[in-house]
Amino acid sequence: GQNIDQPTEMTATEGAIVQINCTYQTSGFNGLFWYQQHAGEAPTFLSYNVLDGLEEKGRFSSFLSRSKGYSYLLLKELQMKDSASYLCAVRSGAGNMLTFGGGTRLMVKP
Amino acid sequence: NAGVTQTPKFRVLKTGQSMTLLCAQDMNHEYMYWYRQDPGMGLRLIHYSVGEGTTAKGEVPDGYNVSRLKKQNFLLGLESAAPSQTSVYFCASLQGAGNTIYFGEGSWLTVV
Repeated sequence: GQNIDQPTEMTATEGAIVQINCTYQTSGFNGLFWYQQHAGEAPTFLSYNVLDGLEEKGRFSSFLSRSKGYSYLLLKELQMKDSASYLCAVRSGAGNMLTFGGGTRLMVKP
Repeated sequence: NAGVTQTPKFRVLKTGQSMTLLCAQDMNHEYMYWYRQDPGMGLRLIHYSVGEGTTAKGEVPDGYNVSRLKKQNFLLGLESAAPSQTSVYFCASLQGAGNTIYFGEGSWLTVV
């Protein structure tokens, strides 16, 4: 089966940097997604990693290590609007099964 | 240019009633997924489909059935609704080699 772990909650200060970790155990790994979700809304796409290394997109970066089953999402220059849940999802198998972690609720404080 | 559309958006059911949620995508995606999300939790996969006419079970399939008779539509059925099925349901689709999951806006279901 799939096993995806993320911290449940994190708190950070406006303007700071925060790293949200995701560890996974899966067979047939095909890629890893990060999504942002505000309360009452659908998730929105942040990043996708399929090869090892760092993908940078503006204030958001995502890192993947397939050998360690590990990814992180890095948010720089935090803004109040970044307060949301951040979901890690693994794509696996020939059927492209998509399994999500429980999400990390990030609270940005002034 | 609608993307992924879910209907209905809100529904209240009585225990034991049946209903069907419809997910429609206009992007010709092969893969479609149904998730449920309970308060403060992540998305849990109910069923998914790798193409027209095929479906597979996810993490929490019990109490649900699905059908993919047309490539663009993925239906989620509750044969006999239970209060434990009160949740927000999200549909998603993915192109085979794509790197973006597209989500519907969600369907809020309450079973009383």
